[in-house]
Amino acid sequence: DIQMTQSPSSLSASVGDRVTITCRASQSISRYLNWYQQKPGKAPKLLIYAASSLQDGVPSRFSGSGSGTDFTLTISSLQPEDFAIYYCQQSYSTPYSFGQGTKLEIK
Amino acid sequence: EVQLVESGGGLIQPGGSLRLSCAASGFIFSDYKMNWVRQAPGKGLEWVSYISSSDSTIYYAESVKGRFTISRDNAKNSLYLQMNSLRAEDTAVYYCAREIVPAAHFDSWGQGTLVTVSS
Repeated sequence: DIQMTQSPSSLSASVGDRVTITCRASQSISRYLNWYQQKPGKAPKLLIYAASSLQDGVPSRFSGSGSGTDFTLTISSLQPEDFAIYYCQQSYSTPYSFGQGTKLEIK
Repeated sequence: EVQLVESGGGLIQPGGSLRLSCAASGFIFSDYKMNWVRQAPGKGLEWVSYISSSDSTIYYAESVKGRFTISRDNAKNSLYLQMNSLRAEDTAVYYCAREIVPAAHFDSWGQGTLVTVSS
């Protein structure tokens, strides 16, 4: 099974900051990596798929990069509505697996 | 508009059974692969099960294999999760999610239904 490890587990930042979250896979997953945002009491929302493709309707301040085992999600200029938990997910093989999440908090 | 609505959650005793449903609308349900994902209280996301569009291929997480059964009725635009031999560690919000290619991402999710396993 493929293990996904996110870092950091939590992050404090201010509105306007540039933020990067890292996700590492325990083996190569090519570009089968997706990113989701989850707010309290809500279902996850897809942000990025196939490592770097922006889901329709997602602001362009979100971007993804990487391939193989190392991936990043970058938010170029944090907005108040971006404070949430972010999860990466590998879809290279079942069992699909998620990272443990990164909680982005207001500084 | 794509809509997924889960139902069937509730409080159940350890060892009991429960059947979750996910009603789909706004898209051609029979064209899409579907998944169940769960989230224990205060914890992260855990993938539970996958079913192909024609239900010819099914996968489960090891933690539920042999106890949970995923199925679908394309005529009724519905996805199901039969959960047997429930344990306290199955307590979670259960989401159904539509899978899209490329990269098998989950582009639409239901609002979730809470399953609580407790005596």
